[in-house]
Amino acid sequence: KAGVTQTPRYLIKTRGQQVTLSCSPISGHRSVSWYQQTPGQGLQFLFEYFSETQRNKGNFPGRFSGRQFSNSRSEMNVSTLELGDSALYLCASSRNPPHRGQDTEAFFGQGTRLTVV
Amino acid sequence: GIQVEQSPPDLILQEGANSTLRCNFSDSVNNLQWFHQNPWGQLINLFYIPSGTKQNGRLSATTVATERYSLLYISSSQTTDSGVYFCAVSYTTSGTYKYIFGTGTRLKVLA
Repeated sequence: KAGVTQTPRYLIKTRGQQVTLSCSPISGHRSVSWYQQTPGQGLQFLFEYFSETQRNKGNFPGRFSGRQFSNSRSEMNVSTLELGDSALYLCASSRNPPHRGQDTEAFFGQGTRLTVV
Repeated sequence: GIQVEQSPPDLILQEGANSTLRCNFSDSVNNLQWFHQNPWGQLINLFYIPSGTKQNGRLSATTVATERYSLLYISSSQTTDSGVYFCAVSYTTSGTYKYIFGTGTRLKVLA
C-alpha cells in the first residue's frame, strides 16, 4: 500500500511570505503528526491531529498552524516566514495517537525541505 | 520532561563489522521506535519495540523498559547502513502525551 506522501518535496520562499505543506497519510491511519528537523535543534514535535482535531502541540510560535481534513489528509502552514524556519519538515501517520496502547507505530513521509531566503 | 540520550553520537565501522547503538530514557514510556534516516532525509522504520526483543535480518533490537534503555544491534554492516539512527519515545505527562526523538547516532560504514 502507498506510504505517507508529502508535497512539495522542496520549497524556496522569501522572508515574510507564508507557506503551506501537505501530508497524505497511509490509508486507514487517522493520526498525523508534524516535525521540524534542523541541524541545531534536531527533530522537534510540532503538532498532532486525530479525527480532524489538534490533540497535541509542541513548543512553537503561533505562526505555525495546521489542520486535518475528513479524509485524514493534513496541512501545515507557516506564516511570516523567518530565516530560522529553514528546515526539513516531516510528517508521520499512525492508526492511533502515540499514547494509545495499540496501533501507534508511526510511519514517516520523505519530508519537505523548506529554504527561506 | 523526559530525556532521551543516544550513544555513541558518531560511529565509523569497516564493512562487515558489528555494532551496538544505545538509547537511554529517563522515565517510563508508552512506546519506543528505532528509525534510520537515509541521506535524503526520510525516516525508515526499523523497529516498534516498547519492550522485549525483535529481529529483522541483520538488525535486532532489545528494550528493557524497567531499566529504561533500548539497544539496536547491527551485524555484518554494509555501506548502505550508513546514515543517522534515531530512537523516539512517547510518554504521558500532565494528562497529555509527548513524542520526542533522541539526538541520534551518525553511522558511517566504510567499504
